[in-house]
Amino acid sequence: DAGITQSPRHKVTETGTPVTLRCHQTENHRYMYWYRQDPGHGLRLIHYSYGVKDTDKGEVSDGYSVSRSKTEDFLLTLESATSSQTSVYFCAISGTLAGRQETQYFGPGTRLLVL
Amino acid sequence: AQKITQTQPGMFVQEKEAVTLDCTYDTSDQSYGLFWYKQPSSGEMIFLIYQGSYDEQNATEGRYSLNFQKARKSANLVISASQLGDSAMYFCAMREATSGTYKYIFGTGTRLKVLA
Repeated sequence: DAGITQSPRHKVTETGTPVTLRCHQTENHRYMYWYRQDPGHGLRLIHYSYGVKDTDKGEVSDGYSVSRSKTEDFLLTLESATSSQTSVYFCAISGTLAGRQETQYFGPGTRLLVL
Repeated sequence: AQKITQTQPGMFVQEKEAVTLDCTYDTSDQSYGLFWYKQPSSGEMIFLIYQGSYDEQNATEGRYSLNFQKARKSANLVISASQLGDSAMYFCAMREATSGTYKYIFGTGTRLKVLA
């Protein structure tokens, strides 16, 4: 299994509070991604990173910021959480694992509920 | 703009039969990759199969094959001999290069239910 962890796995928070989700990899891969998954929308890219301190926006980046100060960690911050940000958040890395095809490998997901 | 379309929100298949999940894509890039992922009810995302835009043969991985028709811009997933454990959500995705970096875009998914 790819060495990708996400923390926390579940979080309940209140509208207007900041929230930070952490993605940690042990694979030393350059690319890391944050997605949100909502019914009927599949996975939508929030932000991604192609190296330390190198990040770019995805299709649903409003209300989110990211940081990557070291290769293994990619943080997603909801600056002021809203109920529309209630979702399942997945982190992914992109690369080749154990000689297999280069693809994305996903973390276990974080369920976020904003009340 | 690059786009992935999965037109089947849900499908049923009888156990041991084959099933085809549809995926069409739109891109102006010459080099791209197409992927299928499985998401069981437990929630994890599992990579199934990959097809490169320059690959001349259709990709196969065990019971999974990818029916790649480049001119039609389709990348359908074929699951042979369906099993109850194949019941899951299936996502088609495309890797695109944007300003020298790689992003993946996903379709909205197809929920497959295998019937005993």
